[in-house]
Amino acid sequence: QQQVKQSPQSLIVQKGGIPIINCAYENTAFDYFPWYQQFPGKGPALLIAIRPDVSEKKEGRFTISFNKSAKQFSLHIMDSQPGDSATYFCAARLGSSNTGKLIFGQGTTLQVKP
Amino acid sequence: DAGVTQSPTHLIKTRGQQVTLRCSPKSGHDTVSWYQQALGQGPQFIFQYYEEEERQRGNFPDRFSGHQFPNYSSELNVNALLLGDSALYLCASSWGGAMNTEAFFGQGTRLTVV
Repeated sequence: QQQVKQSPQSLIVQKGGIPIINCAYENTAFDYFPWYQQFPGKGPALLIAIRPDVSEKKEGRFTISFNKSAKQFSLHIMDSQPGDSATYFCAARLGSSNTGKLIFGQGTTLQVKP
Repeated sequence: DAGVTQSPTHLIKTRGQQVTLRCSPKSGHDTVSWYQQALGQGPQFIFQYYEEEERQRGNFPDRFSGHQFPNYSSELNVNALLLGDSALYLCASSWGGAMNTEAFFGQGTRLTVV
């Protein structure tokens, strides 16, 4: 099953809050899980990524938590700012292919209110 | 260092026409992948080019074709355009020499079919 299910579809938080976006997958052949941030009219920009042998990764205010047994991973944005308002996509890469093809979730639109 | 560049940024075509989109990869990258992003959806993999050959193809009809040039730049061609082909077309570049390289996206070409 080459799907990545992302939730919620949209999220509104106050400045300083900690939005959490969740993703779930079925295919255990996925070997790399990036998160992308996309602003209107722009292409997706790589935010942070994790491999399944790591349970947590932090980069600045962004943290990925990874639960291999549950086949779930999530993005936490600490001390969220209005400038974080964007659409966030989780993705997964098939390790069995030699192309690095990415399977994307449906996206979460985040609004951070001042 | 120039990132991934795509042209044109916007395009309006009539149903049944043909279109060509262009992509120049990030410096040092030799692999180009194309994705289609419908409004409100995550990007969907179309195909990937490496060493001037199509390496993998997603679930897209033969109306979608591509090409990679010796300088690693790439074109995406879509024939017999349908209204449903209206989308943001994204190019992502990476280095094909290893599996574990990040994919960087361009800003996309917004195609509208009327």
